[in-house]
Amino acid sequence: GAVVSQHPSWVICKSGTSVKIECRSLDFQATTMFWYRQFPKQSLMLMATSNEGSKATYEQGVEKDKFLINHASLTLSTLTVTSAHPEDSSFYICSARIRGNTGELFFGEGSRLTVL
Amino acid sequence: QQQVKQSPQSLIVQKGGISIINCAYENTAFDYFPWYQQFPGKGPALLIAIRPDVSEKKEGRFTISFNKSAKQFSLHIMDSQPGDSATYFCAASRGYSTLTFGKGTMLLVSP
Repeated sequence: GAVVSQHPSWVICKSGTSVKIECRSLDFQATTMFWYRQFPKQSLMLMATSNEGSKATYEQGVEKDKFLINHASLTLSTLTVTSAHPEDSSFYICSARIRGNTGELFFGEGSRLTVL
Repeated sequence: QQQVKQSPQSLIVQKGGISIINCAYENTAFDYFPWYQQFPGKGPALLIAIRPDVSEKKEGRFTISFNKSAKQFSLHIMDSQPGDSATYFCAASRGYSTLTFGKGTMLLVSP
């Protein structure tokens, strides 16, 4: 099956620093990738839709200057949490869909961010 | 407005029993209904999915039942095993849009 890789799987940083999370589709091209945030024992909340070669579309309430998304190629999207604060601590998960397909989304393993 | 409602929130089933999780949706334009399994600290993994042109799909011990008129679909796990203990999410999507997730069901299969 299609594989989506996320890196790092976990990261600890100091308050005020920025953290970048990478999401790669390893064996397929993805025109669109999606970034989610998940709090403990809760469902996945869509943060933004990342489109290759264009600006990301953010969900209501998500600060685009806080969560910078770049979709530089058909296999890579990055999420940068800028000036991180403890309330940004969460589990961030990306997903991707095979280019041209509808339906099935493939998810990465997630990235656990802890801001001290 | 929650577009996909999932129940129960948690479920305890004895080993060998049947686990049943239900979801209801509101948007009749949805055309893809997957179930995801998530273990702690891991990303969701697709378990089984169905499209509205069929009423049931079975893969091994997992079955989706789909009722288009009632706008409901459910996951049945036959012969539940302790290794099935996880959080299960139903979801729905339309075309190229992202998935709308239910709130999840924590399943515990007791030995």
